[in-house]
Amino acid sequence: QSALTQPRSVSGSPGQSVTISCTGTSSDVGGRNSVSWYQQHPGKAPKLIIYDVIKRPSGVPDRFSGSKSGNTASLTISGLQAEDGADYYCCSHAGTFYVFGSGTMVTVL
Amino acid sequence: QVQLVQSGAEVKRPGASVKVSCEASGFTFTSPYMHWVRQAPGQGLEWMGFFYVAGGTTGYAQNFQGRVSMTRDTSASTVYMELSSLTSEDTAVYYCVREPSGGTFYFDYWGQGTLVTVSS
Repeated sequence: QSALTQPRSVSGSPGQSVTISCTGTSSDVGGRNSVSWYQQHPGKAPKLIIYDVIKRPSGVPDRFSGSKSGNTASLTISGLQAEDGADYYCCSHAGTFYVFGSGTMVTVL
Repeated sequence: QVQLVQSGAEVKRPGASVKVSCEASGFTFTSPYMHWVRQAPGQGLEWMGFFYVAGGTTGYAQNFQGRVSMTRDTSASTVYMELSSLTSEDTAVYYCVREPSGGTFYFDYWGQGTLVTVSS
């Protein structure tokens, strides 16, 4: 049960867009529409920002969007803001268990 | 509003066990699945397992099979996670998280986390 693969870090200037990839296998990301994304600020609990690949919970800004192609899911942050600087984790259901991504640090320059 | 309130930080010796509690409020306690996720210092998130509150069934990650136990006290709206045979590698923040209902496959509410430190 290896972690899903994410880039270690991405960065962008305020107003720019950044995309975080999350690569798994046909047993998890590729085989199901149950990918979710979580934002975690230092010292805080993670917060759900995307579920079912593309859906946003109430209260999450629409600059956060999700997508999937094959075994890779992606999170795009459009119009980057200072408060978006955080760690981001993808997660996929994989039949009888769940697997998280390795995590990506987003830096707002 | 939905709240998951966890018990306080723990310090344990290697080989000991720890039991973390998570008191739920603001929703029908028997509806969702409750999961546990941990995060070692400076590391990523790791799923440990789930507890189906209504039915009492459990499912554990392979890494924790035989060493973890998840239970509930319905009258207290509380779920518990007990981890035994602790080593320094179990030093982490442990989170209880809610899956809204069976088959939703995401975690919409998280507890505040409980730091467990394993040290001799």
